[in-house]
Amino acid sequence: AQSVTQPDIHITVSEGASLELRCNYSYGATPYLFWYVQSPGQGLQLLLKYFSGDTLVQGIKGFEAEFKRSQSSFNLRKPSVHWSDAAEYFCAVGADNQGGKLIFGQGTELSVKP
Amino acid sequence: DAGVIQSPRHEVTEMGQEVTLRCKPISGHNSLFWYRQTMMRGLELLIYFNNNVPIDDSGMPEDRFSAKMPNASFSTLKIQPSEPRDSAVYFCASRTGTSGYEQYFGPGTRLTVT
Repeated sequence: AQSVTQPDIHITVSEGASLELRCNYSYGATPYLFWYVQSPGQGLQLLLKYFSGDTLVQGIKGFEAEFKRSQSSFNLRKPSVHWSDAAEYFCAVGADNQGGKLIFGQGTELSVKP
Repeated sequence: DAGVIQSPRHEVTEMGQEVTLRCKPISGHNSLFWYRQTMMRGLELLIYFNNNVPIDDSGMPEDRFSAKMPNASFSTLKIQPSEPRDSAVYFCASRTGTSGYEQYFGPGTRLTVT
């Protein structure tokens, strides 16, 4: 069965430190991969997406993610975290045979220490 | 672009009452998704529509829930009768059918059933 796993429920980093949020997926077809961010009381905002081509994709707010097919991973990174990055982050996967549906991970809550 | 619009933003109702949540997708988008988010179950897909036609309603929890999309610019999710366990944040999302699978989320409706 298709699945998306975000192994870390909660991560705390210091402001200015680097960040990596993990995402692993299990999919039979070629996946389309997404990262979304949700601030408290808000909807989900698309950070970046991967469909094909260069496996390192750039997104908004200084985030990037790298697709590693051999590891079935799509980890999100940021070189220097800002206090405003504190939020919940969701990895999502779709595929041509899913009719446009996305499967979301359980989310990783990011806290930023001053 | 106004983005996905949801109303009301907050709804408090008593058990047994009918609740109707509304969504206006982004103009030109032809797929619409209803999600429910709770702490316990995370983000769950309830139902989605392509070109106003329900495609997959397997996530609708029970017959108390129903959704309609009478035209390309409006959808409703109705709960009748409501129960306390329906308390959650309900999100609507839309996407275009012509490029990728990224979905754009509305701000959500926070439903509290007492």
